Amino acid sequence: SYELTQPPSVSVSPGQTARITCSGDALPKKYAYWYQQKSGQAPVLVIYEDSKRPSGIPERFSGSSSGTMATLTISGAQVEDEADYYCYSTHSSGSQRVFGGGTKLTVL
Amino acid sequence: QVQLVESGGGVVQPGRSLRLSCAASGFTFSSYGMHWVRQAPGKGLEWVAVIWFDGSNKYYADSVKGRFTISRDNSKNTLYLQMNSLRAEDTAVYYCAKEDIVVIDHWGQGTLVTVSS
Repeated sequence: SYELTQPPSVSVSPGQTARITCSGDALPKKYAYWYQQKSGQAPVLVIYEDSKRPSGIPERFSGSSSGTMATLTISGAQVEDEADYYCYSTHSSGSQRVFGGGTKLTVL
Repeated sequence: QVQLVESGGGVVQPGRSLRLSCAASGFTFSSYGMHWVRQAPGKGLEWVAVIWFDGSNKYYADSVKGRFTISRDNSKNTLYLQMNSLRAEDTAVYYCAKEDIVVIDHWGQGTLVTVSS
């Protein structure tokens, strides 16, 4: 079955840039989406279609994709950005969907 | 605004069945695909199933294929997940989620399913 691979954890100091990667064989042909999940809460979409930001999401969140890797970048990370981040995409056939394993971002 | 309210979770013995429901409001339910996504305690998100807006297509994760069935009743604005032959590894919070052209843009608050003897 199709898999998306993320690093388990990323740690930065406040104000630094955090980068979270997501690799998958179908990413050259399929969009990546990114969700933020804080403890005890439902996920929130922060990036869609590789690099678009939904309304209400701070400009410090950005996304990019190249080849088999998508990247979520948080420029000037803040303490309130501490959360689990998940990439999401579709199988090359367009049927099954998949989440990456998640990355725990620590900002301190 | 969009509201998704799951129900039907609880404690069930291994091998038994359970049906989850998701009541949708605040949008035209019959126009959107819908998903079930689950999260085991302390673990990551796992996509479970999707159903097209009109119910014409359904897809499942390999881990639940043949045991779970996703369905919808557009006249009642309700999404369902029939779970059969439940296993301990199915223990999770189950989220109902709305899709807008591939992207999941709204989530419910989830319902906990515990499979234990």
